[in-house]
Amino acid sequence: EADIYQTPRYLVIGTGKKITLECSQTMGHDKMYWYQQDPGMELHLIHYSYGVNSTEKGDLSSESTVSRIRTEHFPLTLESARPSHTSQYLCASSESGTGSSGNTIYFGEGSWLTVV
Amino acid sequence: KNQVEQSPQSLIILEGKNCTLQCNYTVSPFSNLRWYKQDTGRGPVSLTIMTFSENTKSNGRYTATLDADTKQSSLHITASQLSDSASYICVVSDRGSTLGRLYFGRGTQLTVWP
Repeated sequence: EADIYQTPRYLVIGTGKKITLECSQTMGHDKMYWYQQDPGMELHLIHYSYGVNSTEKGDLSSESTVSRIRTEHFPLTLESARPSHTSQYLCASSESGTGSSGNTIYFGEGSWLTVV
Repeated sequence: KNQVEQSPQSLIILEGKNCTLQCNYTVSPFSNLRWYKQDTGRGPVSLTIMTFSENTKSNGRYTATLDADTKQSSLHITASQLSDSASYICVVSDRGSTLGRLYFGRGTQLTVWP
């Protein structure tokens, strides 16, 4: 079982609201990721982090921001939510090393965001 | 262009039957290939990871194969159970960047009927 947790699991908010999706892992992993996934579609990387104070944008352009002040915590924030942000957001983590090292990537249960 | 294509898009089988899911990729330079199981509304869970030198790996009733020459992989599920109903995602990693970028397929939606 992966020790990576996301809150909230489900959220419905109004347009223009600020929202923070929380992600925490207790495995001591240096690398953490945020993916966005629409139903029936592939996962798209929107942010990643190699460690504390390290954050990078992923492949998919996103209006969200992230921070990595502590190893175990990698929150994602939307300053002003829009209906186009409606999606599932998946947090993940892995041990040091790159994806090419074959380290297992552990996913959280996901946060379903609906912006109305 | 690096891509991962999965087939079929969806599949319905009866409980107890076997099935095989396919994954074709164009990712280069290749590093490893992973299969994940994603239950509806949940996060993906790792089933297998295979590197270039491995051509088969098993995890219980799940057996993955890899042909790096033809850039194809398959996931075989033996004696299916109702709990196998899920989306199965093929993920290929390259070794051309420090991130070891992951390329995701759209998944095969498997439904097991009693």
